[in-house]
Amino acid sequence: EPEVTQTPSHQVTQMGQEVILRCVPISNHLYFYWYRQILGQKVEFLVSFYNNEISEKSEIFDDQFSVERPDGSNFTLKIRSTKLEDSAMYFCASSELGDDEKLFFGSGTQLSVL
Amino acid sequence: GQQLNQSPQSMFIQEGEDVSMNCTSSSIFNTWLWYKQDPGEGPVLLIALYKAGELTSNGRLTAQFGITRKDSFLNISASIPSDVGIYFCAGQLDQAGTALIFGKGTTLSVSS
Repeated sequence: EPEVTQTPSHQVTQMGQEVILRCVPISNHLYFYWYRQILGQKVEFLVSFYNNEISEKSEIFDDQFSVERPDGSNFTLKIRSTKLEDSAMYFCASSELGDDEKLFFGSGTQLSVL
Repeated sequence: GQQLNQSPQSMFIQEGEDVSMNCTSSSIFNTWLWYKQDPGEGPVLLIALYKAGELTSNGRLTAQFGITRKDSFLNISASIPSDVGIYFCAGQLDQAGTALIFGKGTTLSVSS
């Protein structure tokens, strides 16, 4: 069964460092998303991406965050200068049709900022 | 931001029991989704609902899209140990281009 894959599964970084989280969405999906989940809390929306541009972003997704689809398969989330409060599980998701459609999630990247 | 109120926060049940959890909001939604999350994993879609009043089953799971479009419930019948996990409701507001909003989750524990 097709699945969303994320790498790495765990990332430890020093505060102020840049990190790039990588995702390979399901191949025929056109809409891509990043969500995050702080330990013990709910899943929060960060950003959605379609047709090579951001379609929607939340208040969390400030200037320190950026997304990119560098080629036909990868979808990345970059945090330029990490803060302690960026520590969370980051989930990539994709959907085939976008609005009103089911999202399929990857297994997540656990980011720990020290 | 918009809130989904999911309850109960946690449940401790015996194997074989039925379970019910729900999500409510003051806002109208056009999509309700129910996900299950196992430790260290991403949410896995269980059921998707797109119409008010819709009742959909997936094995022992049944979910309904409330008639007011402001709520949804998930029932699990005859629970088994592998039902253990965190169940999240997620909804999409009745506005074009809005992202999924997640509830805070219901943690289910099943003892055999």
